[in-house]
Amino acid sequence: RKEVEQDPGPFNVPEGATVAFNCTYSNSASQSFFWYRQDCRKEPKLLMSVYSSGNEDGRFTAQLNRASQYISLLIRDSKLSDSATYLCVVNEAALGRLYFGRGTQLTVWP
Amino acid sequence: DVKVTQSSRYLVKRTGEKVFLECVQDMDHENMFWYRQDPGLGLRLIYFSYDVKMKEKGDIPEGYSVSREKKERFSLILESASTNQTSMYLCASSTLWGDSYNEQFFGPGTRLTVL
Repeated sequence: RKEVEQDPGPFNVPEGATVAFNCTYSNSASQSFFWYRQDCRKEPKLLMSVYSSGNEDGRFTAQLNRASQYISLLIRDSKLSDSATYLCVVNEAALGRLYFGRGTQLTVWP
Repeated sequence: DVKVTQSSRYLVKRTGEKVFLECVQDMDHENMFWYRQDPGLGLRLIYFSYDVKMKEKGDIPEGYSVSREKKERFSLILESASTNQTSMYLCASSTLWGDSYNEQFFGPGTRLTVL
């Protein structure tokens, strides 16, 4: 049983496009939710946390649906620099252990 | 800035060798983690530690052990390296407190090849 499931892609979109990634998690007791970004041959880094009310950071919007155990990330006006792998991440309990999805690969082309 | 460093970026070892991967963080974080990352499989947790001398098994601990003698240092040990342990190894740390609670900060990774 995989804790966090994501569509691996790849997603190939032109600059300026809007793209959405989805993720589901298996444990209804999960407490915290995140999107991490991993550039090619680099380490993962936190992109944004995901809150129940939904949250936005510039061109990025994250949504959480606890009833459906579903998380999404929307990227508007895609840039070439958005090309990366996006990891959906869930914390099921206290003490800091995170569960990572396998990642969704995005390529933005000019 | 939080900094997590790993002892080597690239490492080549032979089957049966004992391998030590070192990780050091400079932010006084309580938690430290070792992952391996393989194409198509994503990040898989090997071991983690919530405090000095404490360790917990992750999802794939077989063939590995860890040591945390000091808060800032977390070592991953491959007792007898095998070819199926060829992978990218990533260390991470996080704190239990404050605004960055739960955010994991990763080191640059060690690409280990076992021949």
